[in-house]
Amino acid sequence: DGGITQSPKYLFRKEGQNVTLSCEQNLNHDAMYWYRQDPGQGLRLIYYSQIVNDFQKGDIAEGYSVSREKKESFPLTVTSAQKNPTAFYLCASSLYILEQPQHFGDGTRLSIL
Amino acid sequence: AQKVTQAQTEISVVEKEDVTLDCVYETRDTTYYLFWYKQPPSGELVFLIRRNSFDEQNEISGRYSWNFQKSTSSFNFTITASQVVDSAVYFCALSSYSSASKIIFGSGTRLSIRP
Repeated sequence: DGGITQSPKYLFRKEGQNVTLSCEQNLNHDAMYWYRQDPGQGLRLIYYSQIVNDFQKGDIAEGYSVSREKKESFPLTVTSAQKNPTAFYLCASSLYILEQPQHFGDGTRLSIL
Repeated sequence: AQKVTQAQTEISVVEKEDVTLDCVYETRDTTYYLFWYKQPPSGELVFLIRRNSFDEQNEISGRYSWNFQKSTSSFNFTITASQVVDSAVYFCALSSYSSASKIIFGSGTRLSIRP
């Protein structure tokens, strides 16, 4: 079955550490996205990528970094510069067509120790 | 500016009642797309429907129906004869050429269906 796989499901970070969240898709989608969701709130866009080797900042990119070396992979690194990283992170993908819906992974819940 | 407003933060109804989730959007584009997603307790977002700005026909899918009205910039979602499994957070979203393929999400409505 095609879909999006996020790992790990739960992640704990110590102060000052960088952590990387994995996102893999086998849907052959061009575009991939990372969102952050805080309790009781909607989704805020962190970064997105429309094609391989290209990505753009979303609304809250500070303290995060991404790479898009392969079409199927879009890892997100939460750096130590992100002062409030505790949140639920969702990865999504879509065909590079404006009207196509996004498909989402199951999410990664990041907590600070 | 692009914006999606879901004014209802939480709704709680008894099973078998009908419930409507409101969505109001703002955009200056004439071509845009509206979406509804469901987020069950497990966390992943599930796509429910997409509507383009040129199609104002209402849509029904089983117990779900959607009412798109450009005159009021609304895209409301109704669940008929609600069930406990409908309990989730529901998000309305908007995309258009001005948003450069980004989807703008509303803040969501948490729906609780009581047995």
